[in-house]
Amino acid sequence: EAGVVQSPRYKIIEKKQPVAFWCNPISGHNTLYWYLQNLGQGPELLIRYENEEAVDDSQLPKDRFSAERLKGVDSTLKIQPAELGDSAVYLCASSLEGGVTEAFFGQGTRLTVV
Amino acid sequence: GEDVEQSLFLSVREGDSSVINCTYTDSSSTYLYWYKQEPGAGLQLLTYIFSNMDMKQDQRLTVLLNKKDKHLSLRIADTQTGDSAIYFCAGQAGNTGKLIFGQGTTLQVKP
Repeated sequence: EAGVVQSPRYKIIEKKQPVAFWCNPISGHNTLYWYLQNLGQGPELLIRYENEEAVDDSQLPKDRFSAERLKGVDSTLKIQPAELGDSAVYLCASSLEGGVTEAFFGQGTRLTVV
Repeated sequence: GEDVEQSLFLSVREGDSSVINCTYTDSSSTYLYWYKQEPGAGLQLLTYIFSNMDMKQDQRLTVLLNKKDKHLSLRIADTQTGDSAIYFCAGQAGNTGKLIFGQGTTLQVKP
């Protein structure tokens, strides 16, 4: 069974440009998470979806970040415009449901803003 | 909210036991997790423990939980060079599925 798939693996962009990340969760997983991992830190939750509904987006900087999960399957995370401080790894994870279940992580997208 | 802290670095010799420690603040965390992250990879769930347990053993891994002191540890027996990675402790915020991670402990295993 395929795991959580993210693309691209790496992205280098100039500041003020837009960027988008894509995530395909494990089939059948209703809950999808986007985490931000800065260098030398643990991941921090940006947004959590239950099916197509964003149930926790309190940590998402809404002035420049947006996310969607149309049809409750794939998800995209967008930054517009990107800033130097957005350089980090963006991790997607999915689980069967929210609450206490195992979350499986993708390999992440490493973003470098120059 | 939940805060999770870990020591940053641990170095051991191959074949020795490794003990990685973690402290957390939210006593309502239902589950506590240990994840492993190898360079350039995502996070892999190693094991987890329910908050009403004191200990859980899974092959070479032993998790100890001291709820009174809010202290969690991961012991890796017979540590191998392939165990070299960053290990993250994480607590679950209530029943939301949201994980609060520590900053990670880099485990270096010397041959």
